[in-house]
Amino acid sequence: QKEVEQNSGPLSVPEGAIASLNCTYSDRVSQSFFWYRQYSGKSPELIMSIYSNGDKEDGRFTAQLNKASQYVSLLIRDSQPSDSATYLCAVKAATGFQKLVFGTGTRLLVSP
Amino acid sequence: DAGVTQSPTHLIKTRGQQVTLRCSPISGHKSVSWYQQVLGQGPQFIFQYYEKEERGRGNFPDRFSARQFPNYSSELNVNALLLGDSALYLCASSPRGGSGSYEQYFGPGTRLTVT
Repeated sequence: QKEVEQNSGPLSVPEGAIASLNCTYSDRVSQSFFWYRQYSGKSPELIMSIYSNGDKEDGRFTAQLNKASQYVSLLIRDSQPSDSATYLCAVKAATGFQKLVFGTGTRLLVSP
Repeated sequence: DAGVTQSPTHLIKTRGQQVTLRCSPISGHKSVSWYQQVLGQGPQFIFQYYEKEERGRGNFPDRFSARQFPNYSSELNVNALLLGDSALYLCASSPRGGSGSYEQYFGPGTRLTVT
């Protein structure tokens, strides 16, 4: 079982729709969760962090965390073609240092 | 404010050679982590340095080493390069280290090609 799992996609949505990206993790003691956006040929860009169960909203982005189910999701409302990218889910490892464990990413395609 | 900077942007090396990659964290950040990202995969953790000390190491061979300087910048060294070392090397900056939860911000990366 991979430590952090994501569907590789591509996830295709029309412009203006809600894109839903999902991630599961295996380490039950994980406490910190992050979503990064990575455009082709570029480095990952942090878009959301979430530490507590529930929802966290920032503009068009909402991160959802369910620790009991070991599940993190990212919703993108009013999707735009510029949102087309790979979205990486990252979990801070339960260690005494700053190690992030990443999934392989979900490729999102937003069509005009 | 300037973000994380890395140099060089691109690098081509031959098998067996050695390479040094450089990173400057965001001003005020004291922790630097290094990651390797191969095509189609998520970044893999290599090292974390905080307050000039190695705080964590990933599952990479001893050919990989790093250090952090008094100004919190960092270098990653890779010896005896293999074709499989071809990847995007990412530096991530965070305010602090230790076991707390801190957001990590990535630099633009160094694309290393080994031929």
